[in-house]
Amino acid sequence: RKEVEQDPGPFNVPEGATVAFNCTYSNSASQSFFWYRQDCRKEPKLLMSVYSSGNEDGRFTAQLNRASQYISLLIRDSKLSDSATYLCVVRGNTGFQKLVFGTGTRLLVSP
Amino acid sequence: ETGVTQTPRHLVMGMTNKKSLKCEQHLGHNAMYWYKQSAKKPLELMFVYSLEERVENNSVPSRFSPECPNSSHLFLHLHTLQPEDSALYLCASSQDPKFSGQFTDTQYFGPGTRLTVL
Repeated sequence: RKEVEQDPGPFNVPEGATVAFNCTYSNSASQSFFWYRQDCRKEPKLLMSVYSSGNEDGRFTAQLNRASQYISLLIRDSKLSDSATYLCVVRGNTGFQKLVFGTGTRLLVSP
Repeated sequence: ETGVTQTPRHLVMGMTNKKSLKCEQHLGHNAMYWYKQSAKKPLELMFVYSLEERVENNSVPSRFSPECPNSSHLFLHLHTLQPEDSALYLCASSQDPKFSGQFTDTQYFGPGTRLTVL
């Protein structure tokens, strides 16, 4: 089983739509969770951290379910500029507590 | 943004060549990382340096040799690579939470070097 699993997509949505991505992780001892965004042929950039109580940043809402080992990202009122790959990232609890990346979910927002 | 820079941005090399990738961070961080990103695969952590000391080596073949002369610079020396090593090589930096005392060690990535091995 992969450490971090995501649906690769692509998710094709019209502008203004609400879209949700899910991610599961295998290490129940994982300590921190993040969503990164990666534009085509660019480097990943942190979108938001994911807290146990859930958190919101403008149109973006992240949720964590530790019991199910599941993370979600909700994007409301999608913009064309939201088109990118969204990487689910989990921090382990061993060694250097390295970040483990999912393969990403591709989002395409169309006019 | 120029927080983490990488050179060259593109590199084509033969299997017998020796080349080096360079990364420089201007963020005052004390940890630096090399990642490999191949098509349709997740980012793979290759090496981690904290305060210039290698703290993780993820079973990377010896044809990849990292060097961290100081906390701002990181190199990846390449020799006798294989075509399957063609990928995007990303450098990142962060503040090691072990020393910062906080768990907000966001990793900042450089733009990457797109490597093609012929």
